[in-house]
Amino acid sequence: EAGVAQSPRYKIIEKRQSVAFWCNPISGHATLYWYQQILGQGPKLLIQFQNNGVVDDSQLPKDRFSAERLKGVDSTLKIQPAKLEDSAVYLCASSPIRDRGNEQFFGPGTRLTVL
Amino acid sequence: AQSVAQPEDQVNVAEGNPLTVKCTYSVSGNPYLFWYVQYPNRGLQFLLKYITGDNLVKGSYGFEAEFNKSQTSFHLKKPSALVSDSALYFCAVNTGFQKLVFGTGTRLLVSP
Repeated sequence: EAGVAQSPRYKIIEKRQSVAFWCNPISGHATLYWYQQILGQGPKLLIQFQNNGVVDDSQLPKDRFSAERLKGVDSTLKIQPAKLEDSAVYLCASSPIRDRGNEQFFGPGTRLTVL
Repeated sequence: AQSVAQPEDQVNVAEGNPLTVKCTYSVSGNPYLFWYVQYPNRGLQFLLKYITGDNLVKGSYGFEAEFNKSQTSFHLKKPSALVSDSALYFCAVNTGFQKLVFGTGTRLLVSP
């Protein structure tokens, strides 16, 4: 079974530039998550999709971050404009259904450096 | 607010010795607890979870965890550590809103 795919793996940008990350979840997984992991911290949930609808975006900085999940499969996370504090690893995860007992399957992440 | 705490930034153990990585939780209601491991430049991998039932949960790669309700703990254990177990370990709780809240992580270093 193929895992969660993410691209790019690394990205370096200047502050105030824009950037986009792509995620392809495990086939058939209805729930998709984007996390931000700052160095030395645990991952923090940014947004959660159930199929192509948003079920939780309470911790997404909506003035600069946006995300979409077209057709309930792939997802894109965008930052515009980027700030220095956005430097982090952005992790995508998926799970079969939205259930508290289900584990989440994580992709390798995209490491963003904002200069 | 539901949360987990990992009191140790780093745990050092010699290969072949038992290891314990500590986690305590603060949860209202029944806790749904997880352990994940992160190797360098890789995403998180699921190790094990406690939902209900037996307090000793067995997981991947020989790891197990003991749920202790009276001490609100969910410590990760392994009887005999391997050098390849060296990684970053995260405890997490799944809140009632299907959101994983992670601890700050514990780096495990196993020396040969």
